[in-house]
Amino acid sequence: AQTVTQSQPEMSVQEAETVTLSCTYDTSENNYYLFWYKQPPSRQMILVIRQEAYKQQNATENRFSVNFQKAAKSFSLKISDSQLGDTAMYFCAFANNNDMRFGAGTRLTVKP
Amino acid sequence: DAGVIQSPRHEVTEMGQEVTLRCKPISGHNSLFWYRQTMMRGLELLIYFNNNVPIDDSGMPEDRFSAKMPNASFSTLKIQPSEPRDSAVYFCASRQQGYQPQHFGDGTRLSIL
Repeated sequence: AQTVTQSQPEMSVQEAETVTLSCTYDTSENNYYLFWYKQPPSRQMILVIRQEAYKQQNATENRFSVNFQKAAKSFSLKISDSQLGDTAMYFCAFANNNDMRFGAGTRLTVKP
Repeated sequence: DAGVIQSPRHEVTEMGQEVTLRCKPISGHNSLFWYRQTMMRGLELLIYFNNNVPIDDSGMPEDRFSAKMPNASFSTLKIQPSEPRDSAVYFCASRQQGYQPQHFGDGTRLSIL
């Protein structure tokens, strides 16, 4: 079974600085997708970014980018120019054709 | 397009009562997931369906919990009898099978007194 590990329960960053959230996963499959979700205090689950395992190029969405290391099974999220609205829980997720698994989450606080 | 719709948004009930949570997935999505979220245990997958068929219910805590998906546009999660430790936010999510992201509903905040 696939597992997703987020080793940082909590992190904080100063506004306008850059922060990196870590995620590792375990799978024997070659085809899969990886995602980062954001859950602000409003509790909505919002898709932030996605990465296809067959693509070597790292995905980027505005201030959000990933560092995907397939051999190391690592999928970190970098948030540049952090904003107060980035304060949220961040979940890493793994998806294959049939299933999707989430990590335990990292609580990020952006400080003014 | 309408997103995943969950009802009720909030539910407060007394211990021992039956609770039914409802979910309408996005049209065209053929996978549906039920999650429970608490501070202590985080986001837990309870059960998921592919094409209305339960695939993995290993996350269902005990026999008091049951889930059904009678058709492609509706699912229920039932707790009977409810206990205070069932208090949590319950999310429903759907996706198209095949490497697609899940789309979440706004969740149901359940409080069992």
